[in-house]
Amino acid sequence: DVKVTQSSRYLVKRTGEKVFLECVQDMDHENMFWYRQDPGLGLRLIYFSYDVKMKEKGDIPEGYSVSREKKERFSLILESASTNQTSMYLCASRTGGRTYEQYFGPGTRLTVT
Amino acid sequence: LAKTTQPISMDSYEGQEVNITCSHNNIATNDYITWYQQFPSQGPRFIIQGYKTKVTNEVASLFIPADRKSSTLSLPRVSLSDTAVYYCLVGDMSQQAGTALIFGKGTTLSVSS
Repeated sequence: DVKVTQSSRYLVKRTGEKVFLECVQDMDHENMFWYRQDPGLGLRLIYFSYDVKMKEKGDIPEGYSVSREKKERFSLILESASTNQTSMYLCASRTGGRTYEQYFGPGTRLTVT
Repeated sequence: LAKTTQPISMDSYEGQEVNITCSHNNIATNDYITWYQQFPSQGPRFIIQGYKTKVTNEVASLFIPADRKSSTLSLPRVSLSDTAVYYCLVGDMSQQAGTALIFGKGTTLSVSS
């Protein structure tokens, strides 16, 4: 059974803190993605990676960075958390072939106070 | 990636057939049409994809006219558990790397008893 797991379901951090959100997939997928979801704005792509150590900016990369040192793990880093980064963060993975089936994790609801 | 337009919301009653139409006037020759479903507090889930004519699976049917400028997701005999957000996406996933699915705001379907 395919699985994408995220390190935390809920997270509360203070403004200015460095925040790490971890995502692990067990399907040997080449592609991994980070989205954020906010009411009225839908899902927006932050960053994605198509191979180890490779990354591409999505629509809203400002204030975020990513790391992919191993194929199964993709980390999202908030260098200095701000209140406007309070959101639901969703990780996803997809195989490298011609497929549109992307598997999502359960999400991390991050609150920055 | 082609821009898509779909209704913000729809209401239905249990047992009815629901059709959600998505407009994608600038669809390219190699683009496929994909639909995702998202329940509250969960990540999106792949439902169906197609290129032209009709595709059917155990969850839904997808109708695509000859000009491919629109598509219709059909949910037969909906139940309360079909209450969710439905996303229409258009894109070409034939490339091995550097492509990402872009989600819009989706259509919120509310099913009542």
